[in-house]
Amino acid sequence: DAGVIQSPRHEVTEMGQEVTLRCKPISGHDYLFWYRQTMMRGLELLIYFNNNVPIDDSGMPEDRFSAKMPNASFSTLKIQPSEPRDSAVYFCASKLAGGRGNEQFFGPGTRLTVL
Amino acid sequence: DQQVKQNSPSLSVQEGRISILNCDYTNSMFDYFLWYKKYPAEGPTFLISISSIKDKNEDGRFTVFLNKSAKHLSLHIVPSQPGDSAVYFCAASASGGYQKVTFGIGTKLQVIP
Repeated sequence: DAGVIQSPRHEVTEMGQEVTLRCKPISGHDYLFWYRQTMMRGLELLIYFNNNVPIDDSGMPEDRFSAKMPNASFSTLKIQPSEPRDSAVYFCASKLAGGRGNEQFFGPGTRLTVL
Repeated sequence: DQQVKQNSPSLSVQEGRISILNCDYTNSMFDYFLWYKKYPAEGPTFLISISSIKDKNEDGRFTVFLNKSAKHLSLHIVPSQPGDSAVYFCAASASGGYQKVTFGIGTKLQVIP
């Protein structure tokens, strides 16, 4: 298995632009998570899905952030409009219900820089 | 408000010695704890976990200790190897919400050959 796939790996954009981050979870996994990593706050859970349905989006910082999961093999995280403080590494992770030790499998991340 | 705290941003240890990474939590509802390891330019990978019904869990060179009364856990790596150099994240979840995992900010471990 290729693991969790994220694209792009790096994104540089200007303030005010729309940014879309993409994720392909591990086949067969029924949970998908979006995290943001910053130096000050570490890894923060933004939102997670179960069987393509959003379960908890309480970590989404503002209305500028939105996430979708149209099918079991694809999810997007969109920021519109982007701001410099959104600069961070965004991780997608997936998990199989009842998996070993509550383990989540993370993608390599997307490093977002908003100028 | 950080519910999972890793107060040491970095740690340096000689190869072959023990590495001890510490973690404190404030939410008394947490009853399942995990450690993840992260190399640069990669996502975190699961290392070891422990349920609150235990006070120790061991997997090879890695042992996690849990002190519920102190709301403290630690990860011991013995012996430390240069390949262990990475950022280690402590994480926790609560019954009824195991999918929602709260992470600390991480501790960067450097193992010196």
